[in-house]
Amino acid sequence: QSVLTQPPSVSGAPGQRVTIPCTGSSSNIGAGYDVHWYQQLPGTAPKLLIYGNINRPSRVPARFSGSKSGTSASLAITGLQVEDEAQYYCQSYDSSLSGEVFGGGTKLTVL
Amino acid sequence: QVQLVESGGGLVKPGGSLRLSCAGSGFTFSASYLSWIRQAAGEGPECLSYISDSGDYIYYADSVKGRFTISRDNTKSSLFLQMNNLRAEDTAVYFCARVTVAGSANWFDPWGQGTLVTVSS
Repeated sequence: QSVLTQPPSVSGAPGQRVTIPCTGSSSNIGAGYDVHWYQQLPGTAPKLLIYGNINRPSRVPARFSGSKSGTSASLAITGLQVEDEAQYYCQSYDSSLSGEVFGGGTKLTVL
Repeated sequence: QVQLVESGGGLVKPGGSLRLSCAGSGFTFSASYLSWIRQAAGEGPECLSYISDSGDYIYYADSVKGRFTISRDNTKSSLFLQMNNLRAEDTAVYFCARVTVAGSANWFDPWGQGTLVTVSS
């Protein structure tokens, strides 16, 4: 049971927009801690996608964006492409556990 | 480019020990916080431990505290994880990752390719 909750799967057609929610609590996201997002392609290591809730590393396309409100955060992907099929994980800090925590992951399928 | 390469994984019996290594290149290793993160099959990553640039600050998750020891050798740009008293539930791919220390929630970038640790009799 992950501290941060994500839906197991989401899907969308090429060109569409999808969002992946990440729900936390008052000891992590709700306490004001930042949320980061990672993309994991099959058989590879996770790669940083969004940091500090809304910031993209320079190598990440602008199609990817992050947001945060209250005890939740969200990753949005516009103009879906087949190569976006991957697992996506959110990550934050939890004051009760005194450490960084990850969500259980969401598998994105591009139909 | 920034690169991290893990080694040392393998098959070990319950109660056994294993030492993982991570070699860094392409960045100022001695000025970087570094971490070990594991991912069991079908699950999300779990941050196990991280160590400050000088080694004077260390974090352990409760799941490994007292069994795992993180260390580093800045002269060899290497990070280590000594794992003792291994259990079946320690079976996972183990990644090393550079830590960006932020005022709110550190993040991990980049990650190595991972090394598989299997604990089974």
